[in-house]
Amino acid sequence: GESVGLHLPTLSVQEGDNSIINCAYSNSASDYFIWYKQESGKGPQFIIDIRSNMDKRQGQRVTVLLNKTVKHLSLQIAATQPGDSAVYFCAENPIDDKIIFGKGTRLHILP
Amino acid sequence: NAGVMQNPRHLVRRRGQEARLRCSPMKGHSHVYWYRQLPEEGLKFMVYLQKENIIDESGMPKERFSAEFPKEGPSILRIQQVVRGDSAAYFCASSPGKEVSGANVLTFGAGSRLTVL
Repeated sequence: GESVGLHLPTLSVQEGDNSIINCAYSNSASDYFIWYKQESGKGPQFIIDIRSNMDKRQGQRVTVLLNKTVKHLSLQIAATQPGDSAVYFCAENPIDDKIIFGKGTRLHILP
Repeated sequence: NAGVMQNPRHLVRRRGQEARLRCSPMKGHSHVYWYRQLPEEGLKFMVYLQKENIIDESGMPKERFSAEFPKEGPSILRIQQVVRGDSAAYFCASSPGKEVSGANVLTFGAGSRLTVL
């Protein structure tokens, strides 16, 4: 469904460790999913996407996993760096060209 | 290609005034989306438009808010008689649409931050 007005959960990760950010989506008809990164004061930026006919896709240092059975997405960031500090949003494409965003998770990197 | 351009970046209005936020999509993109974001919250879908048409406005408040995307010129999000609760960041995004690119990846602008005094 729509992104609801709740404060963002925070994930704190040691620099160099792997980060896993989770997202539950709402519409079983969604066939396309995207992860966005939003740094402070900026607009969201595309990171990686995945279609519903796949369960895993890898990019540079990032991997997206899709579990359609439980309507769950995850974003894995390898060897987390200070520049990865941001809010991460998953988004789904339930119909036509409409894109709905999840609640978001703030990733905080510990030195 | 300058990307998605939004202006103004910051806008201050008093209660009861009107706010107009503009968005120029990326070259070649025919779809425009508006999202609203409160501090420390997610992106709430408001409306999406193609040239001269509103496709889905299910996230728009019924009163005071309107959006357009004319044949020529930028998309405009208009908020009449602003109230303090309208203070937020308003993000515009554009895309070429699924029928063109096969996947609807949105490119976002830097946002317009509205403050209502």
